[in-house]
Formats: sequence, structure tokens, C-alpha cells
Amino acid sequence: EAGVAQSPRYKIIEKRQSVAFWCNPISGHATLYWYQQILGQGPKLLIQFQNNGVVDDSQLPKDRFSAERLKGVDSTLKIQPAKLEDSAVYLCASSIARAWGGELFFGEGSRLTVL
Amino acid sequence: GENVEQHPSTLSVQEGDSAVIKCTYSDSASNYFPWYKQELGKGPQLIIDIRSNVGEKKDQRIAVTLNKTAKHFSLHITETQPEDSAVYFCAATGAGSYQLTFGKGTKLSVIP
Repeated sequence: EAGVAQSPRYKIIEKRQSVAFWCNPISGHATLYWYQQILGQGPKLLIQFQNNGVVDDSQLPKDRFSAERLKGVDSTLKIQPAKLEDSAVYLCASSIARAWGGELFFGEGSRLTVL
Repeated sequence: GENVEQHPSTLSVQEGDSAVIKCTYSDSASNYFPWYKQELGKGPQLIIDIRSNVGEKKDQRIAVTLNKTAKHFSLHITETQPEDSAVYFCAATGAGSYQLTFGKGTKLSVIP
């Protein structure tokens, strides 16, 4: 079974530039998550989708971050304009169930460096 | 919101010894507690989880214990092997919440 696919794996940009990350979840998984993992910390949820609807985006900095999940499959996370503190690994995860108690399957992440 | 504290931040053990990682949580309504293992350059992977109606769960060399009164839970790895070396994260989620809060992680090194 194919896992969660993410691209690009690495991205280096200057502050105030924009960047986009792409995620393709495991086939059949209705729920998709974007997490931000700053070096030395645990993942922090940015946004959760159920099919193509947003379930939770309470920790998404909406002035600069946006995400969409068209047709309930692939998702894109965009940052515009980027700040130095956005340097992190952006992890995409998917799960079958909406309610907690289900396993999250993570991709390998997209590492962003903002200079 | 939920706050999860994890200790220690780093742990070194000799191969074959046991390793214990402890976490505390703040929301007494939390009811699901997973543990994830993250190897270098990879995403976290679920290794074991426990729900609030269970006190202990085992899976081969890995076990998790939960003390709801004290609001803490622990991961126990016995007979450690070099391939157990990784960063381990505990997490918790409250009742009615879909947000999983992770601890800061423990870097486990198993010395051959």
C-alpha cells in the first residue's frame, strides 16, 4: 500500500517569498492533516480536513498560511509571505476515521528553510 | 487547551536494558494517548496507543501504562535494540476534541 506522498522534500526561500507544499494521502483516507514540526519540538496541528471540508484550523496563522483540499483527495499548503519563524518541517498525515482513536499515517515531510 | 509534558528529552541506554519515557497531561477529559516513533528524515509512526478505560497495554517489547488520577502515562521498552534508537513522542487528545497535542519528544539512543 502506498504511503502519504509529499513534495517537495526540501525548500529554501528568502523571507517574504511564498512557498507551496503538496500532499497526496493514502487512498480511501477521508481525513487529512497538516502539522508543523519545529526543530526539537513535537508536531503541531495546523489544519484538519474531513473530505474537502475544514474540521479544525484554529492554529493556522490565517494571515499568511492557507490550505485547500480539492475533490477531497490531494491537498496544498501555502505560505505567503514567509517569515524566519516558519522554518520547520511540514508534515502531512491522513487517517480513515474522523474521530480520534485512529492511527495517523504521516508522510516524510517537507523541510522549509527561510533565510 | 491540552498541554503535554514529556521527560526526559534525551535518554541513552545499553542494548538489552529497559527504557522508560514519561508524559503528563493537563486536560482531565483527555481519553486517547498514542505514542509515535520518528526516525531521522521520516514522519512519525504509531507504535502503541491506550484509551482512558484501560490501565496498561502491551505489544511484544513495548508497553504503555496510564494513571488517570495522576494524569500521566509512560512508555516502557524492554530488551532495547539499536533499531529502537529514534525520537519518541507522546500525545493526548481531549474528549470531543479532534486535536492531538504532542509532547516535545525524547531522543532515545541504544548503545550496542
